[in-house]
Amino acid sequence: QQPVQSPQAVILREGEDAVINCSSSKALYSVHWYRQKHGEAPVFLMILLKGGEQKGHEKISASFNEKKQQSSLYLTASQLSYSGTYFCGTEANYGQNFVFGPGTRLSVLP
Amino acid sequence: NAGVTQTPKFRVLKTGQSMTLLCAQDMNHEYMYWYRQDPGMGLRLIHYSVGEGTTAKGEVPDGYNVSRLKKQNFLLGLESAAPSQTSVYFCASIDSDRGRNYGYTFGSGTRLTVV
Repeated sequence: QQPVQSPQAVILREGEDAVINCSSSKALYSVHWYRQKHGEAPVFLMILLKGGEQKGHEKISASFNEKKQQSSLYLTASQLSYSGTYFCGTEANYGQNFVFGPGTRLSVLP
Repeated sequence: NAGVTQTPKFRVLKTGQSMTLLCAQDMNHEYMYWYRQDPGMGLRLIHYSVGEGTTAKGEVPDGYNVSRLKKQNFLLGLESAAPSQTSVYFCASIDSDRGRNYGYTFGSGTRLTVV
């Protein structure tokens, strides 16, 4: 079952913060986050595993609330290069039933 | 280290024609996948393979066939192309290590138009 992402789209000014949410109706083993720029392939950002800790990558970090089956991606002090579509992917059990969310389009303006 | 390589990058087919998309990975990954991406639909799984000689259906398998004769290659075939198969196709692979810290690696995509 496809996870739900919110918001569907967001427009920011350079330097502003954003949060993208991903939720599932099923208990999750892992949550992945990817960014896809227009005309390019999705690129892996980070993975959060059940029982794991919050992850971070420069000014992009994510959390995973196992009880609520939710994950949030935090982008702080956004840069123009952050523009793109962000996908979460969820896995109910290890190696099984991995499904991508519909994506959140992020636009960062100067 | 090339990662995941897809060929061709672009193709235009006439309705009823057949073609094969090739995906090759050099990371020794066990798991390989074929996705299609349509506007507003996200990434939908067509077929996947958990090892050499094995394949399984995904969410939208109709009209497609796959083969995994070698661990590094995963082929996607369209036997009789239809306009509904116009899409961007991505191949992806992932390490099967249970403690993995890395997600899917995607190829650059194949943009297919069926007229």
